[in-house]
Amino acid sequence: KQEVTQIPAALSVPEGENLVLNCSFTDSAIYNLQWFRQDPGKGLTSLLLIQSSQREQTSGRLNASLDKSSGRSTLYIAASQPGDSATYLCAVTGYSTLTFGKGTMLLVSP
Amino acid sequence: ETGVTQSPTHLIKTRGQQVTLRCSSQSGHNTVSWYQQALGQGPQFIFQYYREEENGRGNFPPRFSGLQFPNYSSELNVNALELDDSALYLCASSPGLAGGGANVLTFGAGSRLTVL
Repeated sequence: KQEVTQIPAALSVPEGENLVLNCSFTDSAIYNLQWFRQDPGKGLTSLLLIQSSQREQTSGRLNASLDKSSGRSTLYIAASQPGDSATYLCAVTGYSTLTFGKGTMLLVSP
Repeated sequence: ETGVTQSPTHLIKTRGQQVTLRCSSQSGHNTVSWYQQALGQGPQFIFQYYREEENGRGNFPPRFSGLQFPNYSSELNVNALELDDSALYLCASSPGLAGGGANVLTFGAGSRLTVL
């Protein structure tokens, strides 16, 4: 059974810092890995998708890497802003389902 | 292009009652997945519908059931509600099965169910 773990569970940083969110998964037989953002009480917004054959994806200030053999992914956020405050969820895709971690709750203070 | 819409946004039920949640998929998407997200947890896969047939189910009891219609919209039905069913229910659509290629799931805003 696939298990996804995210570290840290919560993170508080001042504006402008670069930060790294970590995700690990137990079964390397995945199609892809996605990072999502969730604002309080809201749905999920897909940030980045990394195919199993890829090593990284970039979108603006976000960069996600994938090391399938070790079962790890990182989400790097450059020059953090208060608007980045949200919960970040990592999910790995199997045949017909996504398996999510519990998320990292990020607070960026001005 | 419209996104995924869910209704109702909030609802309150009592134990033992039944609930139906609805989801309209994004235009051009034929696959709908449902997830349950308890407070402070990641979403848990309930089931997926592809071209009106159930295609994959998570670890949820049979009182969780669903339908997909010819226009690819979907319903989630929960019978005999329990307190632990209180959660945010998320619907997601994709242009194909979640595991296929780069089928990015588009999520709706969710339906918040409270069971008293």
